[in-house]
Amino acid sequence: AQSVTQPDIHITVSEGASLELRCNYSYGATPYLFWYVQSPGQGLQLLLKYFSGDTLVQGIKGFEAEFKRSQSSFNLRKPSVHWSDAAEYFCAVGATNAGNMLTFGGGTRLMVKP
Amino acid sequence: SQTIHQWPATLVQPVGSPLSLECTVEGTSNPNLYWYRQAAGRGLQLLFYSVGIGQISSEVPQNLSASRPQDRQFILSSKKLLLSDSGFYLCAWSPGEREQFFGPGTRLTVL
Repeated sequence: AQSVTQPDIHITVSEGASLELRCNYSYGATPYLFWYVQSPGQGLQLLLKYFSGDTLVQGIKGFEAEFKRSQSSFNLRKPSVHWSDAAEYFCAVGATNAGNMLTFGGGTRLMVKP
Repeated sequence: SQTIHQWPATLVQPVGSPLSLECTVEGTSNPNLYWYRQAAGRGLQLLFYSVGIGQISSEVPQNLSASRPQDRQFILSSKKLLLSDSGFYLCAWSPGEREQFFGPGTRLTVL
């Protein structure tokens, strides 16, 4: 069975600083990988996804993520954080089975200091 | 384009009362549908998923049930709510492969 670990429960960065959120996964085959963002009281919005091909994927809102098979990681990055990026971020791995189920990490809450 | 709706947005119910949460998807056909629960300060727990009308799979034993009476309608129910059923309930849909798209959620408080 697949699993996802987000080692950092909370992260605080200053506005304008760079950001990296960590995600490690466990899956027996080539995974489908996703990052979602959730603002308080809202649903989840898809930031970006990796299926195959180029290991550096670009998403919405200036985010990118890099798939590193050797490290079983899919870390999310942004070069310059804006106050509006404060939210909770979830990494997920998808299984290639009936039902297309996703397994989510526990989430990382990002706070942005002015 | 596709949209997903959930209602109600918020709900406060007494312990022992019934529950019905509804999710509908527009702009697609034969989607996979999912119910998740998100407890305060925790991640997402998959409760049920459905790959077609009348086809429901349960991921965890619990006080809840799900039904899919129409292709784009997914309902989460309970006959008697428990305090532990409080949480944020999210419905999601998938075109049958890969990514899922989430609704706005329902905040349920059981008192």
